[in-house]
Amino acid sequence: DTGVSQNPRHKITKRGQNVTFRCDPISEHNRLYWYRQTLGQGPEFLTYFQNEAQLEKSRLLSDRFSAERPKGSFSTLEIQRTEQGDSAMYLCASSLNNEKLFFGSGTQLSVL
Amino acid sequence: AQSVTQPDIHITVSEGASLELRCNYSYGATPYLFWYVQSPGQGLQLLLKYFSGDTLVQGIKGFEAEFKRSQSSFNLRKPSVHWSDAAEYFCAVGAVSGGGADGLTFGKGTHLIIQP
Repeated sequence: DTGVSQNPRHKITKRGQNVTFRCDPISEHNRLYWYRQTLGQGPEFLTYFQNEAQLEKSRLLSDRFSAERPKGSFSTLEIQRTEQGDSAMYLCASSLNNEKLFFGSGTQLSVL
Repeated sequence: AQSVTQPDIHITVSEGASLELRCNYSYGATPYLFWYVQSPGQGLQLLLKYFSGDTLVQGIKGFEAEFKRSQSSFNLRKPSVHWSDAAEYFCAVGAVSGGGADGLTFGKGTHLIIQP
C-alpha cells in the first residue's frame, strides 16, 4: 500500500492554458474523490467516482472543469482555459466503499 | 445545507498543556463527523470519526472528541500536546461514512501552534 499518489506536485501555468492532474488511488479502492483547497479554507468537494462511473459532478466549479476515471483505476482532472482564480491545491482521495478516505498530498496549481 | 464552523483560526498552546479545538456543525439528519489533521506537504490524515453510539470517540495520536447533539458540537481534545502536533486541523461532516455522493463538508480549519 503506497497510498494515494498525485502528480505533479506543483504546476505553474499561464492564464488561458489547459492543465491536467493525475491521481492514482490505493489499488483496491473503488471510490475516488476530487477536492479543491484554497488558502485559509478547508477542502471543497468537487466530484466523485465509484469505479469508472462519475456519480456526482454538479459540484464541479464550472464547465471548464472535467474529470475522468476511464478504467476505474487512476483519474485525471482537467481544467481548460485556466484563470487566476483556479490557483489552489487540488486534492484526491480514495476509499473502499464507504470506509474512511485516504488523501493524497495534492497538486498545487499556480496560474500566472 | 450542511456546514461546519471552526471558530478559532489560530490556537497557541504550550507543549505539555491540554488542547481543545472547537467545531460546530449544521446538518439536517444524523451527521457523520470527522476530524482530520494536515501537516505541511502532507495529505489530510483522519484522526477520528463519529457515526453513532458512544459520544466520546477515541482516535489516533492520543486525540479524542465528544459529540454533543444538543450543542451541535464535536470538539477535539488532547490532554497533553507534543511539538509534533503543530498542524492544521479540520472538522468535517458528511452524509455517509467516508464520502459518497455528497462528499464531505469541511470547516476552514484551526492552525495549531505549539510553544516550547
